[in-house]
Amino acid sequence: QKEVEQNSGPLSVPEGAIASLNCTYSDRGSQSFFWYRQYSGKSPELIMSIYSNGDKEDGRFTAQLNKASQYVSLLIRDSQPSDSATYLCAVNSDHSGGYNKLIFGAGTRLAVHP
Amino acid sequence: ETGVTQSPTHLIKTRGQQVTLRCSSQSGHNTVSWYQQALGQGPQFIFQYYREEENGRGNFPPRFSGLQFPNYSSELNVNALELDDSALYLCASSLAGVPDTQYFGPGTRLTVL
Repeated sequence: QKEVEQNSGPLSVPEGAIASLNCTYSDRGSQSFFWYRQYSGKSPELIMSIYSNGDKEDGRFTAQLNKASQYVSLLIRDSQPSDSATYLCAVNSDHSGGYNKLIFGAGTRLAVHP
Repeated sequence: ETGVTQSPTHLIKTRGQQVTLRCSSQSGHNTVSWYQQALGQGPQFIFQYYREEENGRGNFPPRFSGLQFPNYSSELNVNALELDDSALYLCASSLAGVPDTQYFGPGTRLTVL
């Protein structure tokens, strides 16, 4: 079982719609969860972090966390063509050694069409 | 822009050669992590440096090594390059006190022929 799983997509949505991206993780000790956006040929850009169960909203983005189900999601409202990118889910691996490493999923490719 | 810089942008090497990649962290960030991202995959953790010491390592062989300097900048060295080392190498820096929020630099694209 992969540590962080995402559907590879592509997820195709029309402009103005809500895009829903999902992620599951295997390490129950994980405490921090992140969504990064990566445009083709570029590096990942942090767009959301979430640490507690429930929803966290930032502009058009809402992150949702359910630790009991080991599930994280990202909703993008009013999707724009400029949102077309790969979205990476990342989970902080819980290590007693005191360092923090992020475990990434392979990403979901989102395509927003006009 | 995250304030994290990396050099060079692109690099082409041949199998068996050695390479050094460089990273300058964002001001105030004392922790640097390195990741390897192969095409179509998510980044994979190589190692992390804090206060000039390696304090965590992923599943990479010893020919991947690094350094962190007093100004928190960092280097990634890869010896005996293999074809599978072709990837985007990403440096991420973290805020002191919030170590798990990592901000990536633009990356170095390494091609091994």
